[in-house]
Amino acid sequence: DSGVTQTPKHLITATGQRVTLRCSPRSGDLSVYWYQQSLDQGLQFLIQYYNGEERAKGNILERFSAQQFPDLHSELNLSSLELGDSALYFCASSVQVSGANVLTFGAGSRLTVL
Amino acid sequence: EDQVTQSPEALRLQEGESSSLNCSYTVSGLRGLFWYRQDPGKGPEFLFTLYSAGEEKEKERLKATLTKKESFLHITAPKPEDSATYLCAGGAAGNKLTFGGGTRVLVKP
Repeated sequence: DSGVTQTPKHLITATGQRVTLRCSPRSGDLSVYWYQQSLDQGLQFLIQYYNGEERAKGNILERFSAQQFPDLHSELNLSSLELGDSALYFCASSVQVSGANVLTFGAGSRLTVL
Repeated sequence: EDQVTQSPEALRLQEGESSSLNCSYTVSGLRGLFWYRQDPGKGPEFLFTLYSAGEEKEKERLKATLTKKESFLHITAPKPEDSATYLCAGGAAGNKLTFGGGTRVLVKP
């Protein structure tokens, strides 16, 4: 157990629907990161939050949004889902290590869009 | 644009057959080069961070090295439990990690 908790583990839904993925970071970690992993794209950075504020944005679609709450848990909202959104979505949290953050990943949420 | 390329894509080894995985990187303002291990259906698990050319780190049968353009992950006398996908990532300012596509390693007994 990495200490990063993601729910749900699996999710099957239909095109056009909206889903919410949830992440609780490791105790003491203030930064949360969201990554998407698909077979053809590898691990792609989506977005980062630090202590409730958006810190960095990667290849996140406009149909996707995220937020980090005062208790530091984060949610990734995916709307108007398309078949191509089927992927593993990972949350990670970080602790500062010598100027480069080591990311601790959760077990992921597998999204299947039918 | 930052880029990390790993080779080979897949590697089949016999137990005890040592080999090396390559990670080539072009990352602006590199703060650290990371290696992760990922088992099927699980999240990446941190292995090493390398900060400067010439640095080496070891953990059990794994040894990671870093040059100005590449990193290598050497697997010495691998065992079947070393079978996994090994991911390399370049860390830049703002804690942004750019991952390579990974190398799938299968070690057969």
